[in-house]
Amino acid sequence: EVQLVESGGGLVQPGGSLRLSCAASGFSFRSYEMNWVRQAPGKGPEWLSYISSSDGTIYYADSVKGRFTISRDNAKKSLYLEMNSLRADDTAVYYCARASVVPAGNNYYYYYMDVWGKGTTVTVSS
Amino acid sequence: DIQMTQSPSSLSASVGDRVTITCRASQNINKFLNWFQQQPGKAPRLLIYATSTLQSGVPSRFSGSGSGAHFTLIISSLQPEDSATYYCQQSYSTPRITFGQGTRLDIK
Repeated sequence: EVQLVESGGGLVQPGGSLRLSCAASGFSFRSYEMNWVRQAPGKGPEWLSYISSSDGTIYYADSVKGRFTISRDNAKKSLYLEMNSLRADDTAVYYCARASVVPAGNNYYYYYMDVWGKGTTVTVSS
Repeated sequence: DIQMTQSPSSLSASVGDRVTITCRASQNINKFLNWFQQQPGKAPRLLIYATSTLQSGVPSRFSGSGSGAHFTLIISSLQPEDSATYYCQQSYSTPRITFGQGTRLDIK
């Protein structure tokens, strides 16, 4: 079964740090680009960060750039998100999501997140 | 960033109804548009990608159409299990994708 399982969430004080993990199973993890997406209470999903399958290309949303660090270990089939300088507005459910692509022609690709974990909850509060 | 705007924000419909949800992008995104369904307490579930391609396992009563900046999700015959929040998401600016604000669908 294709599966992603997040862990590492919890209650942390403002300014604190957490490290989230995402364990993959049932598919060739090293072949897929991966993302972190979060969802604050009552809000829509917000993309946070992307990491390529193997060449180390990384992107961040402006809201977390400089505070969060994405990484992966293909041998361990795991994705990580190191979160520092946490703020109250970082409170959310954090999801890891696998990205798949299909050709769209002219060297473009349709990109979609087809597998999601169940999420791990991060609460930033004193 | 590309902004995605959905309408309506919420709606209520009866079992068997045809339901239409609209999504507008702040610029031309060609057909780089995906739809997700999210039930309370669960992760988003991919329904449709590339505007109109049904993800494996998704019932055929779901369909998508559009191009450019105007897109629609149609549920042809609403079922009780379709009660959820629906999100559109653009992948034109991959990987900096953005989601709409969501449309909450309730069953009367």
